[in-house]
This record gives sequence, C-alpha cells and structure tokens, in this order.
Amino acid sequence: SAVISQKPSRDICQRGTSLTIQCQVDSQVTMMFWYRQQPGQSLTLIATANQGSEATYESGFVIDKFPISRPNLTFSTLTVSNMSPEDSSIYLCSVAAPGVGAHGYTFGSGTRLTVV
Amino acid sequence: AQSVTQPDIHITVSEGASLELRCNYSYGATPYLFWYVQSPGQGLQLLLKYFSGDTLVQGIKGFEAEFKRSQSSFNLRKPSVHWSDAAEYFCAVFMYNTDKLIFGTGTRLQVFP
Repeated sequence: SAVISQKPSRDICQRGTSLTIQCQVDSQVTMMFWYRQQPGQSLTLIATANQGSEATYESGFVIDKFPISRPNLTFSTLTVSNMSPEDSSIYLCSVAAPGVGAHGYTFGSGTRLTVV
Repeated sequence: AQSVTQPDIHITVSEGASLELRCNYSYGATPYLFWYVQSPGQGLQLLLKYFSGDTLVQGIKGFEAEFKRSQSSFNLRKPSVHWSDAAEYFCAVFMYNTDKLIFGTGTRLQVFP
C-alpha cells in the first residue's frame, strides 16, 4: 500500500491566520481525500482532490475556507483559512490505491491543529 | 441515506478477555466494509476489510470480523485482548457509487490489566 507523509504533524496557530497542510505520497494516485476529525469525533470527509480538476467539497465545507491544491499525482495541500478555535481538529489526508476495493484506503498520520 | 453506526461509544475489558465491537451499516448495495484502528496520537491503520466471498474475514493483530447481510452488521472480534489493543476503532463503508469512505463514530476501547 501507499506510504503517506503528512506535514506538519501538529501546530498551534493564532485565530485569523491560515495553515497549509502538505500530503506527499510515495506513488502516483488518482484520488486523494482530506478528512477532519474534531476532538472526540469520527472522521468527516472535507473534499476529494483529483489531479487536474477542482476539488469536490462535501456539504458544509467550502473552497474559500479550505482551499485545496493538487498539482500532481503524488502531492496535495489543504489550507485552513481565517482560523477560529472551532477549526481545532486533526486533519488527515488519505489516498485510494488503484482498485480501491482490493486495497482500501491509506491514511497519513494526521496534522493536529490547535487554534488559540 | 447511507450511514455507519457504532452503538458502543466506550468499551472496557480486562486483558485476556474476549472482545466484540459492533458495527451496523445502511447501504442499498453490497458494501465494501473496513475496520480501522487509531492509537493515541497516531493515524489510522487498516485492520481488515470485506468485499465479497467468505463472510468471516481475518485481519492483523488477531482480529476478525463477520459480515452478516441479514443484520447489516460487520462486527469486529478478538478472542483475547492485549493491553496494546487499547485504541479507538472505526468501522467504515466504501460507497462505490460515489467513491467515498464513510466512517462510524468510533468505539474507544480501554483495557484493564
């Protein structure tokens, strides 16, 4: 399965600022996903990022707040913009290996964000 | 609407005891089902998966899960729990009509010596 490197692993940010999270995969993948895990909660899909097209956002998430880049098949970034304490969460990127049904999804180790 | 339910928010067991974590799904077709484990401060690790065939699937770390279509369930089991199994466990269903992986709310497992 793919190996994902996610940076930073954690950060403490001031409200009103922005943070960009990077996700690097060791192989080319078509689909990359960004999830949010709020404290004590499950994972919620933010958006799906395909190379060469605009990201597709889930209900409740908008591009102005969570802009995503996908410049190639091994890299993506998620920016959390104009942060507030409610954005304090773990953000995870995930990839679906080819033939996802056989391999499932692989997750990065996550970025633990605290907004003060 | 498609959903995944994990009825147990928190389970406590003694080391060496057996374990069963419940998972129910709502999906119109035969789902692809997964169990993931998240240890404190760690990312998610895939324990096992079901796509088709034998309804009893074996995973890593001695875990197994059984798919029961009649009950829309995919419960995770382990015959003897180790202290290192203390973690958060997530059941997930892949909806291949939308290419999305939907997670349950998770079950936090605590293991007492």
